[in-house]
Amino acid sequence: QVDVVESGGGVVQAGGSLRLSCAGSGFTFNNHGMHWVRQAPGKGLEWLTFIWYDGSNIYYAQSVQGRFTVSRDNSRHTLYLQMNSLRPEDTAVYYCVKDAGFGTGWGYFDHWGQGTLVTVSS
Amino acid sequence: DVVMTQSPDFLAVSLGERATINCKSSQSVFHISTNKNHLAWYQQKPGQTPKLLIFWASTRESGVPDRFSGSGSGTDFTLTINSLQAEDVAVYYCQHYYVPPYSFGQGTKLEIK
Repeated sequence: QVDVVESGGGVVQAGGSLRLSCAGSGFTFNNHGMHWVRQAPGKGLEWLTFIWYDGSNIYYAQSVQGRFTVSRDNSRHTLYLQMNSLRPEDTAVYYCVKDAGFGTGWGYFDHWGQGTLVTVSS
Repeated sequence: DVVMTQSPDFLAVSLGERATINCKSSQSVFHISTNKNHLAWYQQKPGQTPKLLIFWASTRESGVPDRFSGSGSGTDFTLTINSLQAEDVAVYYCQHYYVPPYSFGQGTKLEIK
């Protein structure tokens, strides 16, 4: 059974940093690209970043480019999101999401974690 | 960047009737390398995480009831839910995966009339 479990959310002051983790299980982690998607309270879904299966290519949304860094440790089956210079508008549930395709991926998402809440206070 | 726009924002349909949700992309999401439309649909029920319904614009994910169907090509797409059930109350999102940055539509909230 495929599972992705996020951790590391919490409350942080504006300008601060936080690192999220996502543990993947039930699938061959190093065969799949992974994404982070967030959802602000009562709002829609926002795609943030995509990392290839081997970490060799990474893409970001403009809203987080230069502030957030995605990485992965395939030996630990874990995805990370380092978030710096946090702003109140970054307050959201952050979802770790598995790409449906193998290797370089397709870009659509077949398994979502339960999400971890990040609250940035001003 | 490709911008996705859904219509309507809110939809109320009677049980057993058909619900139709539209999604328009700011540029074509048909990719000649795959000969497919890079468009997916997701369902997010209240208090739950999103769930994949449709990919490649019209391919139903395993386990999704066949009352859900996707259609369209290029820039205009439709999610159709036939014979609406009470459990279909949710917010529905389209998403392009033509090229990063990927993006979602703003969502369509579907309720029972």
